[in-house]
Amino acid sequence: DAKTTQPNSMESNEEEPVHLPCNHSTISGTDYIHWYRQLPSQGPEYVIHGLTSNVNNRMASLAIAEDRKSSTLILHRATLRDAAVYYCILNSMKTSYDKVIFGPGTSLSVIP
Amino acid sequence: EAGVAQSPRYKIIEKRQSVAFWCNPISGHATLYWYQQILGQGPKLLIQFQNNGVVDDSQLPKDRFSAERLKGVDSTLKIQPAKLEDSAVYLCASISTTDPLWGEQFFGPGTRLTVL
Repeated sequence: DAKTTQPNSMESNEEEPVHLPCNHSTISGTDYIHWYRQLPSQGPEYVIHGLTSNVNNRMASLAIAEDRKSSTLILHRATLRDAAVYYCILNSMKTSYDKVIFGPGTSLSVIP
Repeated sequence: EAGVAQSPRYKIIEKRQSVAFWCNPISGHATLYWYQQILGQGPKLLIQFQNNGVVDDSQLPKDRFSAERLKGVDSTLKIQPAKLEDSAVYLCASISTTDPLWGEQFFGPGTRLTVL
């Protein structure tokens, strides 16, 4: 079973911010939180990852709860190209994706 | 930088036939993964290579699936014989642990297999 839980689907209006939640209550101290997204008919692509502190990059921001049991991927201004399935996964620093389990993710729809 | 290459992109076979998929990871990436993604589900890790050695193949159905990575570069995944439930997208990914963004997997476009 996946170590993370996410809503099955979400909707957003174009050009509005989107907050995609992820729960990982059994996270260990050595687990990074990774986010990937998968556009239709493509392989997943990396979005962002973090350990304890909030992270920002050109694609998104990652807000990590103080107890690390949940996180939120923030897309600051949703575009139609952001419509995809978003996966939140845990990756141990020790094992490099060994035993990583992808759940079904959150399917994000962007409304023009 | 060239991405992860996979071929073929699509394959249709009948059950009990054999099929092989090829993956060329990003140059210099020591770690390579094969995933199976059934429609509506997230990718499921089948096997992980570190250079040309197998790190983890615990979820690979070894009675019909096999994979190899000769010389630690290209990799092939084979199914023999195929079953209807093998219909899925097979994804290859690679990772460079020496990259400052350690932990970022680079995925190929996948091979969509349909077993009739």
